[in-house]
Amino acid sequence: AQTVTQSQPEMSVQEAETVTLSCTYDTSESDYYLFWYKQPPSRQMILVIRQEAYKQQNATENRFSVNFQKAAKSFSLKISDSQLGDAAMYFCAYRSAYGYGGSQGNLIFGKGTKLSVKP
Amino acid sequence: DGGITQSPKYLFRKEGQNVTLSCEQNLNHDAMYWYRQDPGQGLRLIYYSQIVNDFQKGDIAEGYSVSREKKESFPLTVTSAQKNPTAFYLCASSQGWLEQFFGPGTRLTVL
Repeated sequence: AQTVTQSQPEMSVQEAETVTLSCTYDTSESDYYLFWYKQPPSRQMILVIRQEAYKQQNATENRFSVNFQKAAKSFSLKISDSQLGDAAMYFCAYRSAYGYGGSQGNLIFGKGTKLSVKP
Repeated sequence: DGGITQSPKYLFRKEGQNVTLSCEQNLNHDAMYWYRQDPGQGLRLIYYSQIVNDFQKGDIAEGYSVSREKKESFPLTVTSAQKNPTAFYLCASSQGWLEQFFGPGTRLTVL
């Protein structure tokens, strides 16, 4: 079974600085999807970024980028020019590309990293 | 605007009562999901449904039930058999292999 591990329960960053959140996963599959979700104090889950395992190029969305290391099974999120609104829980999630229609297609979440942004 | 709505935002239940959480989506997504979130935990899957009139148990289905009579609706009932129902409940939907979109959640508290 696949697992997702976020080893940093809490992180802190100064406004305008850069921070990197770590995520590792365990799988025997070769094709899958990885996601970072943000959960602000409102508790609404918001998709930050998505990475397809078959793509070597790291995904980027404005100030958010990932470092996807497939061989190392690592998927870190870098937030540049941190803003106060970035303060939230961040969840890493894995989804198999096989078996859609069964349980293999479901998201598997890490336990999250709480990010604080200091003004 | 397309999206997912959950109601109520806050729900209080007495011991021994069944309660139903509502989840509606107008995104025309085939798949819908229910998650439970506890402090210090990630999201755990309760039930999911890939198509109308079909649903499967997730990792923590005991004490919960669902129905999927319409594409846009996926209500979750928390039964009296659920021993520790106080939690935050999130509903989500997806289409194919795309990412899941989440509703705003319902906070359930047992009195």
